[in-house]
Amino acid sequence: AQSVSQHNHHVILSEAASLELGCNYSYGGTVNLFWYVQYPGQHLQLLLKYFSGDPLVKGIKGFEAEFIKSKFSFNLRKPSVQWSDTAEYFCAIYGNNRLAFGKGNQVVVIP
Amino acid sequence: DAGITQSPRHKVTETGTPVTLRCHQTENHRYMYWYRQDPGHGLRLIHYSYGVKDTDKGEVSDGYSVSRSKTEDFLLTLESATSSQTSVYFCAISERTVDGYTFGSGTRLTVV
Repeated sequence: AQSVSQHNHHVILSEAASLELGCNYSYGGTVNLFWYVQYPGQHLQLLLKYFSGDPLVKGIKGFEAEFIKSKFSFNLRKPSVQWSDTAEYFCAIYGNNRLAFGKGNQVVVIP
Repeated sequence: DAGITQSPRHKVTETGTPVTLRCHQTENHRYMYWYRQDPGHGLRLIHYSYGVKDTDKGEVSDGYSVSRSKTEDFLLTLESATSSQTSVYFCAISERTVDGYTFGSGTRLTVV
């Protein structure tokens, strides 16, 4: 079965700092990967997705992610975070008719 | 998001009682999913549906059942609620699974 693992579950950083969240996947089939964001008290929203083509994917709100097949990774990045980026971030992989989610990264941005 | 509604938004129930949560969509999407979200566990799939009357189990299906008699409605039933089922439940829909999901606003369920 497919799975993803996320590290550094709690991240605290200051505004304007750069953010990178790691995601490693395990799956023997065609790889379709996603990052979702959940702002406090809200539901999950899609940030970006990868299913083929350019391994560098641009998403909403200045986020990007790079698919590196040799490392089984799909890390999320943002060059300069804002206080409004405080949220929980989930990596997910599609396979067997469903998305499997990682345990999430809680990110707190200090003004 | 517009197009997917969960009800109720909050519920407190007693141990041993049956509880039904409803997910309603107006997007005519084929796939519907129920997840539960718990701190430290992320989202875990309970059940999903790939069409009317077509459902399958997810990774944490014990104690839960589902029904989908119409394209637009996907019901999740806790047959006899336990405290371990206290959680936030999210419904999601998708037409093409590779496009990802659209999530509902969630139902916060507390079993006392």
